Amino acid sequence: KQEVTQIPAALSVPEGENLVLNCSFTDSAIYNLQWFRQDPGKGLTSLLLIQSSQREQTSGRLNASLDKSSGRSTLYIAASQPGDSATYLCAAPNTGFQKLVFGTGTRLLVSP
Amino acid sequence: EAQVTQNPRYLITVTGKKLTVTCSQNMNHEYMSWYRQDPGLGLRQIYYSMNVEVTDKGDVPEGYKVSRKEKRNFPLILESPSPNQTSLYFCASSFLGSQGAVETQYFGPGTRLLVL
Repeated sequence: KQEVTQIPAALSVPEGENLVLNCSFTDSAIYNLQWFRQDPGKGLTSLLLIQSSQREQTSGRLNASLDKSSGRSTLYIAASQPGDSATYLCAAPNTGFQKLVFGTGTRLLVSP
Repeated sequence: EAQVTQNPRYLITVTGKKLTVTCSQNMNHEYMSWYRQDPGLGLRQIYYSMNVEVTDKGDVPEGYKVSRKEKRNFPLILESPSPNQTSLYFCASSFLGSQGAVETQYFGPGTRLLVL
């Protein structure tokens, strides 16, 4: 059964810092892995999807990497801004790829 | 605009009173899913649907029903709500890639339900 873990649970940084969020998954036979952002009381917004054949994916200041063999993915945020403050979740599919299993998220606070 | 809509956004009800939360997407996605989000437990899948008339249980299906009669709609039904179903509910949709895998998921804005 797929299990997804995110560390740390919370992170506070000053504006301008580069930071890394971590995601671990137990079943490495994944088809893809997704990163989402959630603002308080709001729905989830997809940030990046990495296919199993890719090692990384980039969108603006965000870069996500995937290492299937070690069961890890990282989300790198460059030059963080207060507007990046949110909860970031990763999700990996279970065996059969038809169900997504979510981590409990990393709550990020970027201070001006 | 591509979107997933849910109604209602907020709902207060009493134990045992049947309710339906609607979900609709305009992206022609095959896959639709319902999640609930609770503090400390994260997002957990309730039910999902691979296409019209094809539904399956997620991790926490007890007390819920779904139907998929049209591709765009995927309502969540609580036949007899109980206080432990108080939660934040999300509907999501996506295309299916090769091997039937879930691709990028698009989420609705959420429905906050309180069962007294």
